[in-house]
Amino acid sequence: AQSVAQPEDQVNVAEGNPLTVKCTYSVSGNPYLFWYVQYPNRGLQFLLKYITGDNLVKGSYGFEAEFNKSQTSFHLKKPSALVSDSALYFCAVSLRYSSASKIIFGSGTRLSIRP
Amino acid sequence: DAGVTQSPTHLIKTRGQQVTLRCSPKSGHDTVSWYQQALGQGPQFIFQYYEEEERQRGNFPDRFSGHQFPNYSSELNVNALLLGDSALYLCASSRRGALNTEAFFGQGTRLTVV
Repeated sequence: AQSVAQPEDQVNVAEGNPLTVKCTYSVSGNPYLFWYVQYPNRGLQFLLKYITGDNLVKGSYGFEAEFNKSQTSFHLKKPSALVSDSALYFCAVSLRYSSASKIIFGSGTRLSIRP
Repeated sequence: DAGVTQSPTHLIKTRGQQVTLRCSPKSGHDTVSWYQQALGQGPQFIFQYYEEEERQRGNFPDRFSGHQFPNYSSELNVNALLLGDSALYLCASSRRGALNTEAFFGQGTRLTVV
């Protein structure tokens, strides 16, 4: 069965410091990986995706993620955190390269950036 | 572009009642998926509609049903509500066959069952 794990419920970082939000996955076949962010009382906003090619993917708001096939990981990173980055972050996987494929989400990591 | 819109934003229902949630997809999108996000959890896939038919279904009971209209909008119906149905219900739209694979999500409907 396919699954996504986000081992940290919460990550706390000081503003200006680099941040990492961890994600590992378990799927059969090639994974298609995503990061979404959720602000309070809002839906999910797409940040970035990995389909194929370069293992380092750049996305919205200065975020990037590194795909590591051997470690089955897709960690989200940002070189310098902002207070406005504080939100709930979800890693997700899709089983097919298709807009119609269902998305399997991790349990989420709450990112808190202190001034 | 209004994006994905859902209504209502909040809803309170009593156990045993029925509820209907509505979703209008992003312009140009023809596929609608519904997700349930319980408190403290990630979204769980309920089902997906395309061409007015249910195409995929997650591990949800038959009390959860849906519909898609010719204009691609969709409804999620839940019968015989249980306290455990309290959650944020998210609608996502996409365009079948599109090269971009990300789905666009609405702001959700917060359902509280009392």
